[in-house]
Parts: sequence; structure tokens; C-alpha cells
Amino acid sequence: DAGITQSPRYKITETGRQVTLMCHQTWSHSYMFWYRQDLGHGLRLIYYSAAADITDKGEVPDGYVVSRSKTENFPLTLESATRSQTSVYFCASSWDGYEQYFGPGTRLTVT
Amino acid sequence: AQSVSQHNHHVILSEAASLELGCNYSYGGTVNLFWYVQYPGQHLQLLLKYFSGDPLVKGIKGFEAEFIKSKFSFNLRKPSVQWSDTAEYFCAFSIYNQGGKLIFGQGTELSVKP
Repeated sequence: DAGITQSPRYKITETGRQVTLMCHQTWSHSYMFWYRQDLGHGLRLIYYSAAADITDKGEVPDGYVVSRSKTENFPLTLESATRSQTSVYFCASSWDGYEQYFGPGTRLTVT
Repeated sequence: AQSVSQHNHHVILSEAASLELGCNYSYGGTVNLFWYVQYPGQHLQLLLKYFSGDPLVKGIKGFEAEFIKSKFSFNLRKPSVQWSDTAEYFCAFSIYNQGGKLIFGQGTELSVKP
């Protein structure tokens, strides 16, 4: 039972590069979410998805793109990475949108 | 703007001490409330939740929280902490019928001395 996995777990990239963070869940949960965690801010919602092919913006969507062609996958792309996007990124999934199960996180550093 | 305020950034307790972590949210309508915990090196996991009914909710590992609507508060309590409770604790809420978009507080780091 893999649950929810994220890859890579650690990533260093340069300013201006495109980078994609992967999220995969094995529960067939309808809802999936991307958060970023920064010191002093807790977790902030970037994007979420209520089902395949349905996505919507969260609190801090600028500079990020998501897609959800399959229920189990919800990749997050930084189209042109900036230093302000250095953060820990958490993916979560939920069957009802409320009780969310979190992945282990991806620590991204943009140099 | 909707937000969550957690009163303490870092709490240090000795084993067997009682714990209370404060949480206040800012939203005037119906909410669902959550406490999540992140143990060192582990995923965030749900500690307890309140949707409706009895405002005193019990979660895993002996934790409980009380929803006081008039104070917009959802404080977390445990009568006697253990070293294994060392973790970061996040309070969060979602607006009723808004698909579970969670708004988190900034977190409280709890250190329990053995």
C-alpha cells in the first residue's frame, strides 16, 4: 500500500529553469492538492483538483501550472523557477476534500 | 482575508506536563476545523477534526480539542505529554462546502524534554 508518493524528494535547480514535481496516489481519491510550506507561513494552497481534468487556483498559484489527466497523478510545474519558489512542497489527496492525506514532501532549492 | 493564528511558535514542556496550544481562525461562517501533526521526518497526519456536533472532539494519542464558536477558537489539549509528542502542530480550517481548501496556521513546534 504505497498511499501517496512524491518525486523527487530533493531538487536543486537554477533560476529560469522549468521543473516538474510529481505526485501519485493509489487510493483513487477524487481530490488532490498542492501546498508549499515556508517558515512563518505554515502551509499555503497552490492549486487543487476535485477530479481528473478539473483544477482550480488556491491562495498562491502564480508561477505554477498543474494538470490532472489521470485521477492518480497531479504534477506541479514551475514554468520558470525563481528563488522565491524555494520551499518544501506537499501534495495531498482526499476522498471527500476534507480529510487530507499528505505525501512526504519535496524540498526544492532554486539557486 | 481568511487566516489562522496559532498563539505559540515554540513550546517547550517536560514529560507529564499538560499541553494547550491556542488556535484562532478568522471567518464568520460555518467551518470545518482540523489539527495536523508532523513528527520529525514524517508526513503530516491528521490528529483530529471537527465538522459539527459535540464541540469537544477527541483524536489520536490522547489529544482533544474544543471548538468555541463565540471565540473563533479551536485549542488543542493533552493532559500529560510524552517525549514522543515532540512534533510540529498545525491548526487549519476549511469553509463549509468549499471542497476542503485548507487554510493553515503557521505551526507550533512542541519540544518535550524527557
